[in-house]
Amino acid sequence: DQQVKQNSPSLSVQEGRISILNCDYTNSMFDYFLWYKKYPAEGPTFLISISSIKDKNEDGRFTVFLNKSAKHLSLHIVPSQPGDSAVYFCAPGRSQGNLIFGKGTKLSVKP
Amino acid sequence: NAGVTQTPKFRILKIGQSMTLQCTQDMNHNYMYWYRQDPGMGLKLIYYSVGAGITDKGEVPNGYNVSRSTTEDFPLRLELAAPSQTSVYFCASSFGGTSTDTQYFGPGTRLTVL
Repeated sequence: DQQVKQNSPSLSVQEGRISILNCDYTNSMFDYFLWYKKYPAEGPTFLISISSIKDKNEDGRFTVFLNKSAKHLSLHIVPSQPGDSAVYFCAPGRSQGNLIFGKGTKLSVKP
Repeated sequence: NAGVTQTPKFRILKIGQSMTLQCTQDMNHNYMYWYRQDPGMGLKLIYYSVGAGITDKGEVPNGYNVSRSTTEDFPLRLELAAPSQTSVYFCASSFGGTSTDTQYFGPGTRLTVL
């Protein structure tokens, strides 16, 4: 039973356009949501996070939106750059618990 | 700081063999984790440790053992390798153990069991 779903295995966008990566979750006890980015042959690296008390968090070109009623969050990258090409993992968790990782979405940004 | 280092990078095992995946962190983090990532899947937690001498099971602990004798090292032991353990293994560390504590990952060990 998947607690975290990233329904799009891959996404392709043109350089300069917006990339939107989506994540759905089922556990209403999750109160902190993270996005990790992973390049081939490397470990994941932390990208951005959001607490359940907020509905938006912005860091430069990256913005995460949280819709608690829909149990949905999304990561927006504007403008997308070729260096953003990577696998993005949604990873929600409870304050005192471990993270649960989604299957990831592979983003390809074409020049 | 080297961060989190893992050895080896690649390994091929025969069924029934054993091996230890090494993980070391130099950030003086209390918490350390072992994850596995199967193709097309997310990371699944195998074991974690809240400090030297203290370990606990994650989501998929069967077939693995861990120990934590120092703050820096958190080796993962496979006693009887099985094809189902073919995966990429990631070690991670964090200062605290809550979801708000950023986990720092090593580069991974790609293990194939034939």
